[in-house]
Amino acid sequence: EVQLVQSGAEVKKPGATVKISCKVSGYTFTDYYMHWVQQAPGKGLEWMGLVDPEDGETLYAERFQGRVTITADTSTDTVYMELSSLRSEDTAVYYCAKGHQSPRLPFDYWGQGTLVSVSS
Amino acid sequence: QSVLTQPPSASGTPGQRVTISCSGSSSNIGSNTVNWYQQLPGTAPKLLIYRNNQRPSGVPDRFSGSKSGTSASLAISGLQSEDEADYYCAAWDDSLNGWVFGGGTKLTVL
Repeated sequence: EVQLVQSGAEVKKPGATVKISCKVSGYTFTDYYMHWVQQAPGKGLEWMGLVDPEDGETLYAERFQGRVTITADTSTDTVYMELSSLRSEDTAVYYCAKGHQSPRLPFDYWGQGTLVSVSS
Repeated sequence: QSVLTQPPSASGTPGQRVTISCSGSSSNIGSNTVNWYQQLPGTAPKLLIYRNNQRPSGVPDRFSGSKSGTSASLAISGLQSEDEADYYCAAWDDSLNGWVFGGGTKLTVL
């Protein structure tokens, strides 16, 4: 059974950095891209970027470029999303999602989400 | 403002058929397949339709998808109360070199 289990909620101050983890199981970690998606309170979904766990290659959405870093640890089958220079607008639920063998193919499994609250 | 355009809301009574539209451009829907996600209240999104009209295992055949040109639609027949959720379309965008979503449609079962 494919499972994506994310780390717990975080509370951060403006200007800080948050790092969220997503541990996967039930499939070969290095065979599929991993994505991160942001959902602000009461808002829609926004793709942040992806990583190829096999070689660590990343691709980021322009909106998050320069502030987001997505990494994969093949020793623990875990993907991480780090977002820096946090501001109140970054308050959101962040989801990891399993992709396919091409970055253009859809995400078929999602983590449970991690709430990040940014407040002074 | 989302790259893909969806109506913010839709509604229907139990048993009815409802459709949700998704409009894009040549760089996304026009040249790539469309996927639909269902998000029940308080839960993570779930893949509902992929590659325009394919259903993952376990998704009832009441849900169907179609695509024409730069637009796509999701149809739900035999509407049930448990279908009350937010629905999002998504596609790869060749110009942005990334995934884009619609703004989401909140479906209410009256």
